[in-house]
Amino acid sequence: SSELTQDPAVSVALGQTVRITCQGDSLRSYYASWYQQKPGQAPVLVIYGKNNRPSGIPDRFSGSSSGNTASLTITGAQAEDEADYYCNSRETFGTGTKVTVL
Amino acid sequence: QVQLQESGPGLVKPSGTLSLTCAVSGGSISSSNWWSWVRQPPGKGLEWIGEIYHSGSTNYNPSLKSRVTISVDKSKNQFSLKLSSVTAADTAVYYCARIIEYSSSYYYYYMDVWGKGTTVTVSS
Repeated sequence: SSELTQDPAVSVALGQTVRITCQGDSLRSYYASWYQQKPGQAPVLVIYGKNNRPSGIPDRFSGSSSGNTASLTITGAQAEDEADYYCNSRETFGTGTKVTVL
Repeated sequence: QVQLQESGPGLVKPSGTLSLTCAVSGGSISSSNWWSWVRQPPGKGLEWIGEIYHSGSTNYNPSLKSRVTISVDKSKNQFSLKLSSVTAADTAVYYCARIIEYSSSYYYYYMDVWGKGTTVTVSS
């Protein structure tokens, strides 16, 4: 199993766009899935597969991948998007990125 | 829709065995899904513990494999986690989750339904 590396923290102005990346060798074979976690709550799946959103996830969330890097983009970030975000590839979770909306 | 609910003791003594159960409602544990356990120590990230299929097939995190047992009880529509020889480092919120896994040219693996989590503290 390989590691998945994420930037520890990013900030974004309200209404602007932010991209979170996840790097790891396993991403050459597996699509990453992405989870949003707010304090005291369970993780919530926001993106899976090539670029799929579960029902109820706003379309401002999108995903992409290239080589060993997967990305989660929030286009037009809202205050409620402030949270920790984790990527996953099978038995490995990324290190997590804290997103702050300014 | 499928819902998951973790249950078990919130306090375990050091060197003891942590035992948790995840009850599946709104669907069958015998569906074509794997079922997983994930944990999160206080202030830290998520850690995949392992997974089980209704047939009883399991996969475990190599770092925990010697101490982990995941089992399924189809009659009760639930699956369970046992973690032996616990220390303070095993203090965490423990989540159960349903896994969707399939492949085309790429592998798809994601956890679409999660329980709310249960806090387990290892302390004397």
